[in-house]
Amino acid sequence: QSVLTQPPSVSGAPGQRVTISCTGSSSNIGAGFDVHWYQQLPGTAPKLLIYANANRPSGVPDRFSGSKSGTSASLAITGLQAEDEADYYCQSYDSSLSAWVFGGGTKLTVL
Amino acid sequence: EVQLVESGGGLVQPGGSLRLSCAASGFSFRSYWMSWVRQAPGKGLEWVANIKLDGSEKYSVDSVKGRFTVSRDNAKNSLYLQMNSLRAEDTAVYYCARISWTQGEAHFDYWGQGTLVTVSS
Repeated sequence: QSVLTQPPSVSGAPGQRVTISCTGSSSNIGAGFDVHWYQQLPGTAPKLLIYANANRPSGVPDRFSGSKSGTSASLAITGLQAEDEADYYCQSYDSSLSAWVFGGGTKLTVL
Repeated sequence: EVQLVESGGGLVQPGGSLRLSCAASGFSFRSYWMSWVRQAPGKGLEWVANIKLDGSEKYSVDSVKGRFTVSRDNAKNSLYLQMNSLRAEDTAVYYCARISWTQGEAHFDYWGQGTLVTVSS
């Protein structure tokens, strides 16, 4: 059971918009700690997608965006492409555990 | 180009030990905190340990405390993870990751390709 809760899977057709939620608690996201997002393509290492809630590293398309509110955060992907099919993980810090924590991951399927 | 290359994984019996290494290049290694993150087969990511620039501060997840030790050699641009008293549940791909800070909060901005550790008799 992950400290941060993500839906196991989401799907969408090419060109559509999908969102992936990340729900935490008062000891992590709700305490004001930032949320970061990672993309893991099949068989590869994770890659930083969004940092500090809503910032994109250089090279990440603006089709990817992040937001945070209260005890939750969201990753939105617009103009879905086949190459977006991957696992997505949110990450934050938990003050009760004194640990950096990840969500359980969400598998995105492009139909 | 930032590169992180892990090595040292393999098959080890329960109770055994293994030392992972991560060779860093393409950036000033001594200027960055570093981390180990693992992923059990078919499972999600789990943070394992962090180490400060000069090794003076180390943090680890409760499940590895007393068994795993993170260290670094800035002269060799290398990060290490000494794993003792290994258990079946430590079986995972272990990733080396660079830490970047934004307004006092850490995220993992570059990752290695990972090295597989299998604990089994």
